[in-house]
Amino acid sequence: AQTVTQSQPEMSVQEAETVTLSCTYDTSENNYYLFWYKQPPSRQMILVIRQEAYKQQNATENRFSVNFQKAAKSFSLKISDSQLGDTAMYFCAFQAGAGSYQLTFGKGTKLSVIP
Amino acid sequence: DVKVTQSSRYLVKRTGEKVFLECVQDMDHENMFWYRQDPGLGLRLIYFSYDVKMKEKGDIPEGYSVSREKKERFSLILESASTNQTSMYLCASIPSREIWTEAFFGQGTRLTVV
Repeated sequence: AQTVTQSQPEMSVQEAETVTLSCTYDTSENNYYLFWYKQPPSRQMILVIRQEAYKQQNATENRFSVNFQKAAKSFSLKISDSQLGDTAMYFCAFQAGAGSYQLTFGKGTKLSVIP
Repeated sequence: DVKVTQSSRYLVKRTGEKVFLECVQDMDHENMFWYRQDPGLGLRLIYFSYDVKMKEKGDIPEGYSVSREKKERFSLILESASTNQTSMYLCASIPSREIWTEAFFGQGTRLTVV
C-alpha cells in the first residue's frame, strides 16, 4: 500500500516571497504519478501540478514548480512570488500508474499568504 | 470544462436517518469516487466506481454504500447516519483508468449529523 506524508500541517509566507511545501511517499511501484492539489477556502479542489515518475525533469507551471527526488521518494512544491490567492490547503497525492484508479492523499498543508 | 456537481453544499440530518449524497459529472467519465475529508486526516477514499453498476470499497467503507445506475451519477448512501459521519464529502471523477489525467472534484457537501 502507498502512503503519502505531508509533515507541515500549517505554513505561512509573506506576499511575493517563495515557499516550499514538503511531501514524501512510500511505494514499491516503479511507474507512478504524483500530484499537488489546491483547495481554496471555497473548497473546489483543483490540480496545481503533476509529475510522471519516469520523467527526470521537474514539472513547472508558471509560479509553481516541483523538486522530484525519486530515490528519496520526495516531491516538494515550490511557490514563487506568492500571492494572496495562493492561500489554501495543499494536498500531495500519489497514483500508482496506468490501470490504477485510486489517488492516495496526504493530510494536507494549510498555507496562508500574509499581505 | 468538466463539471462535477454535488447536489447539496450543506446538509443537516438526524441520527438514524437515511442520507443520500448525489454527484453528477457531465463529461462521460468512467471512474467516480467518494472521499471523506476531515481536519488532520486529509482525504480518505470511501468507495469508487469504474463503470455503471460496478463499485469497489475504498479505505473506509463501513457505514456507507453507493449506487451507480447511470454513468454520469454516483450516489453515496448513509444507511443510518451517525454523529461520527459528520464530515465534508467530496466527489471526484477521472476519464479512464487507461489514460490518467487529473481528477475533477465537486464543490463538496458539508454533512452534519445531530
